[in-house]
Amino acid sequence: DGGITQSPKYLFRKEGQNVTLSCEQNLNHDAMYWYRQDPGQGLRLIYYSQIVNDFQKGDIAEGYSVSREKKESFPLTVTSAQKNPTAFYLCASRSNSYNEQFFGPGTRLTVL
Amino acid sequence: RKEVEQDPGPFNVPEGATVAFNCTYSNSASQSFFWYRQDCRKEPKLLMSVYSSGNEDGRFTAQLNRASQYISLLIRDSKLSDSATYLCVVRGTGNQFYFGTGTSLTVIP
Repeated sequence: DGGITQSPKYLFRKEGQNVTLSCEQNLNHDAMYWYRQDPGQGLRLIYYSQIVNDFQKGDIAEGYSVSREKKESFPLTVTSAQKNPTAFYLCASRSNSYNEQFFGPGTRLTVL
Repeated sequence: RKEVEQDPGPFNVPEGATVAFNCTYSNSASQSFFWYRQDCRKEPKLLMSVYSSGNEDGRFTAQLNRASQYISLLIRDSKLSDSATYLCVVRGTGNQFYFGTGTSLTVIP
């Protein structure tokens, strides 16, 4: 099955802990993106990567970090420096040959 | 000013009705335009890309007006299954995409 997978689906974290969200795609897509969605707001870009070993900050990168060691994988770490991390996190990917983005099922993070 | 703006609704329409959503964007150099559909607590799914000449996919018609910087989505013969939030998405001049807050549609039996 081709697609984008994110894990876990739900994640609970205590304040002060770092947590890593997984995103994997087997679509051979070049670009990958991380977004955050809060109630009543549009998706906001955290980080994106066009190629392996390269990534750029989006509009709300503070308190987050990423890596792109493999084309298929783009994990997101939510650090303790992120002030309000409770949100729905969405990973997307896109082929450089096309404009459309495709999304994974998302991870719902709750900080207790 | 936001990159993309949408009327959040909600739009409550009876089955069989025609409904239209508009979306405006601020960057006149924007390259590409899309409508996505998002069901409650799910990921957005691509509904259709929007082309300069306008395009249709079954009951759905999308149009782009570059001069006025807006895109529209028309849904004809609404079905109960069309109930969702519709997201307007614009690709800027680089590799970033900008999302509207979404327009909520409920189709009533």
